[in-house]
Amino acid sequence: GAVVSQHPSRVICKSGTSVKIECRSLDFQATTMFWYRQFPKKSLMLMATSNEGSKATYEQGVEKDKFLINHASLTLSTLTVTSAHPEDSSFYICSASRQGRNQPQHFGDGTRLSIL
Amino acid sequence: ILNVEQSPQSLHVQEGDSTNFTCSFPSSNFYALHWYRWETAKSPEALFVMTLNGDEKKKGRISATLNTKEGYSYLYIKGSQPEDSATYLCASAHGSSNTGKLIFGQGTTLQVKP
Repeated sequence: GAVVSQHPSRVICKSGTSVKIECRSLDFQATTMFWYRQFPKKSLMLMATSNEGSKATYEQGVEKDKFLINHASLTLSTLTVTSAHPEDSSFYICSASRQGRNQPQHFGDGTRLSIL
Repeated sequence: ILNVEQSPQSLHVQEGDSTNFTCSFPSSNFYALHWYRWETAKSPEALFVMTLNGDEKKKGRISATLNTKEGYSYLYIKGSQPEDSATYLCASAHGSSNTGKLIFGQGTTLQVKP
């Protein structure tokens, strides 16, 4: 089956640091990838749709300057949390899917980000 | 704002029990309904993607049904086993074409006791 690799799995860093999270589609080309954030006891909240070769599409309320997304190739999307603060601490997870109506999303393992 | 609701939030059953849970989604502009199983320390795994009203899908002891007119889907697990313990997520997609965007419910966490 399709595999999506996400790393790092856990990051602990100081306030003000920028953190980059990578999401790789290992066995298929993904023109579109998705970034989600999960708050405690809440559902996966879509942050943005990452489009290969073009700008990401951000959901309402998500700061594009805070959460920079780059999708430079068909197999790699990155999410950079810039100048992270404690309120950015959360669980971030990416997914990718093949084209087609019945295609499921394939998820990475997620990144637990803790800002001190 | 489109909202997906799942119930119950959590469920504890004995090994061998059959169980089911519900996913409610907006019926307007419906495109597809997804079910995922998310085990602790693993990534969410796709179970089913359903698009047509009346769809029924089965994978081993797990099956799902879809009613797009009233906006609900049921997930059934027959003869629950401890390895079925996980959070089950549903998500719906809307719009006339597949953008891939999904709206997730909060999940139903199932614990199966041996």
